[in-house]
Amino acid sequence: GQSLEQPSEVTAVEGAIVQINCTYQTSGFYGLSWYQQHDGGAPTFLSYNALDGLEETGRFSSFLSRSDSYGYLLLQELQMKDSASYFCAVRASGGKLIFGQGTELSVKP
Amino acid sequence: EAGVVQSPRYKIIEKKQPVAFWCNPISGHNTLYWYRQNLGQGPELLIRYENEEAVDDSQLPKDRFSAERLKGVDSTLKIQPAELGDSAVYLCASSLGSSGTYNEQFFGPGTRLTVL
Repeated sequence: GQSLEQPSEVTAVEGAIVQINCTYQTSGFYGLSWYQQHDGGAPTFLSYNALDGLEETGRFSSFLSRSDSYGYLLLQELQMKDSASYFCAVRASGGKLIFGQGTELSVKP
Repeated sequence: EAGVVQSPRYKIIEKKQPVAFWCNPISGHNTLYWYRQNLGQGPELLIRYENEEAVDDSQLPKDRFSAERLKGVDSTLKIQPAELGDSAVYLCASSLGSSGTYNEQFFGPGTRLTVL
């Protein structure tokens, strides 16, 4: 079977750093993506890791360890606008994306 | 550049009625996806098109769902008849391709379907 696990919710304060973990068990793994979705909005692409290591894009970084079937999204200098749901998604064969259940991030003042 | 366009944004119907959703992908994107997202869950792929061809419809409930992508551009997803459990957000996404180098998927705003 194919499964992804991530925490259902995380709470942090403005200016803090938060890490959202994702573990996966899938066949045909090609890489791990992260998407952000605000309430009622469309999922938007944040990052993609095909190889082990850390990818940094501004305040957001994403990490992948293929040997551990594990990745995380790191959000720094949190802002209120970062309150949203964050999904990890495995890229499987044929370009198919398999999404996790999502982590709801609440940023408090 | 226009993003992925979907209509309608909201739809309320009674069970057993038919319903259709429309999607216009980003210009030049050959690959089109339909996802269903239940409340509090991640999107689940229903069908993927490469141009006009449905290359992955393994998750599409074919007894009541159908889709088409005539001319390889816009697409329609239909449910007939709708059931209470079909209430969800139906998302359309597109990408330049689906193999080789990773191609980011761009999502539309979705159609929120409520079946009463």
